Amino acid sequence: DVQMTQSPSYLAASPGESVFISCKASKSISNYLAWYQQKPGEANKLLIYSGSTLQSGTPSRFSGSGSGTDFTLTIRNLEPEDFAVYYCQQYYEKPYTFGAGTKLELK
Amino acid sequence: EIQLQESGPGLVKPSQSLSLTCSVTGYTITSGYDWSWIRKFPGNKMEWMGYISYSGSTNYNPSLKSRISITRDTSKNQFFLQLNSVTTEDTATYYCARGRRLMDAWGQGASVTVSS
Repeated sequence: DVQMTQSPSYLAASPGESVFISCKASKSISNYLAWYQQKPGEANKLLIYSGSTLQSGTPSRFSGSGSGTDFTLTIRNLEPEDFAVYYCQQYYEKPYTFGAGTKLELK
Repeated sequence: EIQLQESGPGLVKPSQSLSLTCSVTGYTITSGYDWSWIRKFPGNKMEWMGYISYSGSTNYNPSLKSRISITRDTSKNQFFLQLNSVTTEDTATYYCARGRRLMDAWGQGASVTVSS
């Protein structure tokens, strides 16, 4: 299985700041990478797919980059609603696998 | 707007079967897309479990292949998860979602505890 290593596992930041979340795959997955946002009591949201393509409805302060094995989720100018858990997921091959998650908390 | 809602017992005894239902509104499950089950363990690890396609074919995570079954009832626009011979390690929050590789709509999750 493709192992997805996500870091950091925990991140504290303030509104207005920018944050970066890394996701590394154990083998090349081309750009078959998605990012999801998870909040308590809410349905998970697909934010980005194909490494860098914003899903409809995703604010432009979110961006994704990378290909092959190294990927980054960037959130610029944090808004209060952005504090959540973020997961990366590879869909290059089955079984599709997820990173361990990054919890973004308010500093 | 599509909505998915998981339902089922919140407590299952070891060695028994876990059965969950995903009820879909706002989209017909035979119209297209595949329909997946994913779970999140305590500690936040996520695992893709498998899917049923819009045509009814299935594909499962090999780690679960001998224990899992995903079926559907098209008349009710629902799909189902059955996981047999559960252990405490199957304690998790179970999510249904639209999509197979990319999941673009999710339910809110159903918490299932395996305990005697």
